[in-house]
Amino acid sequence: GAGVSQSPRYKVAKRGQDVALRCDPISGHVSLFWYQQALGQGPEFLTYFQNEAQLDKSGLPSDRFFAERPEGSVSTLKIQRTQQEDSAVYLCASSPGWTSGTAYEQYFGPGTRLTVT
Amino acid sequence: SQQGEEDPQALSIQEGENATMNCSYKTSINNLQWYRQNSGRGLVHLILIRSNEREKHSGRLRVTLDTSKKSSSLLITASRAADTASYFCATLISSGSARQLTFGSGTQLTVLP
Repeated sequence: GAGVSQSPRYKVAKRGQDVALRCDPISGHVSLFWYQQALGQGPEFLTYFQNEAQLDKSGLPSDRFFAERPEGSVSTLKIQRTQQEDSAVYLCASSPGWTSGTAYEQYFGPGTRLTVT
Repeated sequence: SQQGEEDPQALSIQEGENATMNCSYKTSINNLQWYRQNSGRGLVHLILIRSNEREKHSGRLRVTLDTSKKSSSLLITASRAADTASYFCATLISSGSARQLTFGSGTQLTVLP
């Protein structure tokens, strides 16, 4: 079936603008994750949803970052009043879920490259 | 912050040679995963090794895990030009509601034809 999709693939924003990044996870996947990847670095965790519940948002760098998954499927990462340091690739990943004692690999989308000018 | 550190940061080899990448991490883990990322693309899961496993194979990939040293290695045998990519190790720490992967900074592998 279809993998994780993200839109837009590229976004250029002027400093101070708000942006919204969309993630469509694999159908039926319970868990959804957002990561931020700076150039030349590994991804860094931002936030995690299980169905519609945001269970962990410890990685969000500031209160300008907000994520939601209202119906437990599509998720949106919103960044308000963008700053130059927000320039990065934003990756979304989904996984089937979590069963006690069983951990699943995560399936990543292609990412949205955000450039703040 | 990055939990793991990959070594080396960059590796260049000839097609047909083996490539070995190492990863060290800091805290106790549930499992360790290796991912590949081609330039400008998302990450692709390669292999997962649980904390109670020591070695795992998948095709041309061999992963080892030493929890006493908090380290892992990824061996790619008989490398091909198509293996050129960045390789990341990622550790899963399950604590409370946390299910996040923590990635290292990656090894850039170049396989020369």
